[in-house]
Amino acid sequence: DAKTTQPNSMESNEEEPVHLPCNHSTISGTDYIHWYRQLPSQGPEYVIHGLTSNVNNRMASLAIAEDRKSSTLILHRATLRDAAVYYCSTSYGKLTFGQGTILTVHP
Amino acid sequence: EAGVTQFPSHSVIEKGQTVTLRCDPISGHDNLYWYRRVMGKEIKFLLHFVKESKQDESGMPNNRFLAERTGGTYSTLKVQPAELEDSGVYFCASSRGTGHYEQYFGPGTRLTVT
Repeated sequence: DAKTTQPNSMESNEEEPVHLPCNHSTISGTDYIHWYRQLPSQGPEYVIHGLTSNVNNRMASLAIAEDRKSSTLILHRATLRDAAVYYCSTSYGKLTFGQGTILTVHP
Repeated sequence: EAGVTQFPSHSVIEKGQTVTLRCDPISGHDNLYWYRRVMGKEIKFLLHFVKESKQDESGMPNNRFLAERTGGTYSTLKVQPAELEDSGVYFCASSRGTGHYEQYFGPGTRLTVT
């Protein structure tokens, strides 16, 4: 499975956009790009996924680089409930979790 | 629909004892995954069932771990005998299909081996 690299932590203010980057330079052609987040004392929660094209859902947007070696998760208006550890994974099937990015949202 | 459930939520056992963790996936989900996070490290994949068959068990650490999914419904993960390094949080996830399908995670079972 491809290895991913994410910043250890990021901070944002409430109602501001947040861009969470992920590098996955060894991604293979069949791997999807998945984003999950984990709140304290809970299991990971699906956020969004994509293959080649940018994706939007009710939670977030996913911007995928043309060469697929990096992606950015975009939270359009961060809320306090978005404070969590965000993980990106490139895989087909089983997920691989790195250290993730700890997102802090300030009121 | 009901989410993925795991039992127990927390288990404390002594080294050398046996523990069985249970996971009930979302009804209709043929795919079931086990993951674990030990000692503050990253969440790691353990194995993947498709219905009752083990599709991928490459993440199972050793033969002290036995996973079953009889009838393709709930799954159990038995650790026998438990060692101190087995302490951590064990997560179960289920999905409708393989590959790009969203995985729904349970709340996890926290295992403490003393």
